[in-house]
Amino acid sequence: QKEVEQNSGPLSVPEGAIASLNCTYSDRVSQSFFWYRQYSGKSPELIMSIYSNGDKEDGRFTAQLNKASQYVSLLIRDSQPSDSATYLCAVKNTGNQFYFGTGTSLTVIP
Amino acid sequence: GAVVSQHPSRVICKSGTSVKIECRSLDFQATTMFWYRQFPKQSLMLMATSNEGSKATYEQGVEKDKFLINHASLTLSTLTVTSAHPEDSSFYICSAKSSGAQGTDTQYFGPGTRLTVL
Repeated sequence: QKEVEQNSGPLSVPEGAIASLNCTYSDRVSQSFFWYRQYSGKSPELIMSIYSNGDKEDGRFTAQLNKASQYVSLLIRDSQPSDSATYLCAVKNTGNQFYFGTGTSLTVIP
Repeated sequence: GAVVSQHPSRVICKSGTSVKIECRSLDFQATTMFWYRQFPKQSLMLMATSNEGSKATYEQGVEKDKFLINHASLTLSTLTVTSAHPEDSSFYICSAKSSGAQGTDTQYFGPGTRLTVL
């Protein structure tokens, strides 16, 4: 079982819709969770971090963490074509090791 | 947010030459930096973890004698690809770990270096 799993997609949503990206992790005691965005040909860029159960909102982005179910999600409201990218989920465990998912490709259709 | 730079951004070299890539944390100190490689349309692959003042830890299958890592200061790590061959052509990305309060360590990525070996 992989440490972090994501649906590779591609996920397509129309402009203005909500894009929902999901990630599950295997280490129950993981503490820190991150979402990165990677445009084609570019390096990953941190967009959200979340450390406690519940929702964390930042502009059009909302990260949701459920430690009991071991999943973390990212919602993008009012999706824009510029949101089209690969979204990477990352988890840091208590051993200070970071694990990345393989990423979900999102396409926002104008 | 924290800024990480990489130099050069792009390099083209002949087969058999060595290439050095620098990774710098510009506004924070990083005791730990990471080196990744990414082939087109594939996911990030961690190559090694670089700790300041000690030897790097390489992932399984990564040749430590081919990919030399030096983390001489809290803001600089270098990756040297020795005797590069065309199959080493890839996108090399570093990241630096920024330490925060109560375990809120975060990785910030550099912009990457695209290596082409002819």
